[in-house]
Amino acid sequence: EVRLVESGGGLVKPGGSLRLSCTASGFTFSLYTLNWVRQAPGKGLEWVSSISSSSRYVYYADSVKGRFTISRDNAKNSLYLQMNSLRADDTAVYYCARDATYGYFEYWGQGTLVTVSS
Amino acid sequence: DIVMTQSPDSLAVSLGERATFNCKSSQSVLYSSNNQNCLAWYQQKPGQPPKLLVYWASTRESGVPDRFSGSGSGTDFTLTISSLQAEDVAVYYCQEYYSTLRTFGQGTKVEIK
Repeated sequence: EVRLVESGGGLVKPGGSLRLSCTASGFTFSLYTLNWVRQAPGKGLEWVSSISSSSRYVYYADSVKGRFTISRDNAKNSLYLQMNSLRADDTAVYYCARDATYGYFEYWGQGTLVTVSS
Repeated sequence: DIVMTQSPDSLAVSLGERATFNCKSSQSVLYSSNNQNCLAWYQQKPGQPPKLLVYWASTRESGVPDRFSGSGSGTDFTLTISSLQAEDVAVYYCQEYYSTLRTFGQGTKVEIK
């Protein structure tokens, strides 16, 4: 069974930093592109970032470019999102999602809540 | 960047009736290598993560009831629920995976009339 478990969310002040983690199991982690998707309270889904299986290709939404960094450790079956210079509009549930062979999102974690507030 | 626009924003349908909602992309999402459209549909119920329903615009994910069907090509796509059930109350999102930015539509909320 494929499992994606996010952690690391919490309350942080504007301008602060936070590192999210996503621990995977049930599949060969090193073969798949992984993504972060967020959802602000009461709002829709927003793709945030993706990283290819070997970390060669990384992509970011314009809203987070230059502030967020995606990374992965294939030896630890883990995906990360380093979030710096956080703003109130970064407040959201952050989901980890695994690509299928092509670019749709076949599996999702349960999400972790990030709240940016003073 | 590709912009995905869904309509309507919300929809109320009686139990057992058909529900149809649309997704329009600002440019074609047809993948020339396999002549398939890079368009997926997700269902999200309150308090839950999204669930994949349809990919390649019309291929149902394993385990998804056959009352869900996707159609369309190029820039215009439709998700149809042939006979609405109570458990189908949710927000439905389309997503393009033609580009690296994987843009979602804003969602259509489906309720019972």
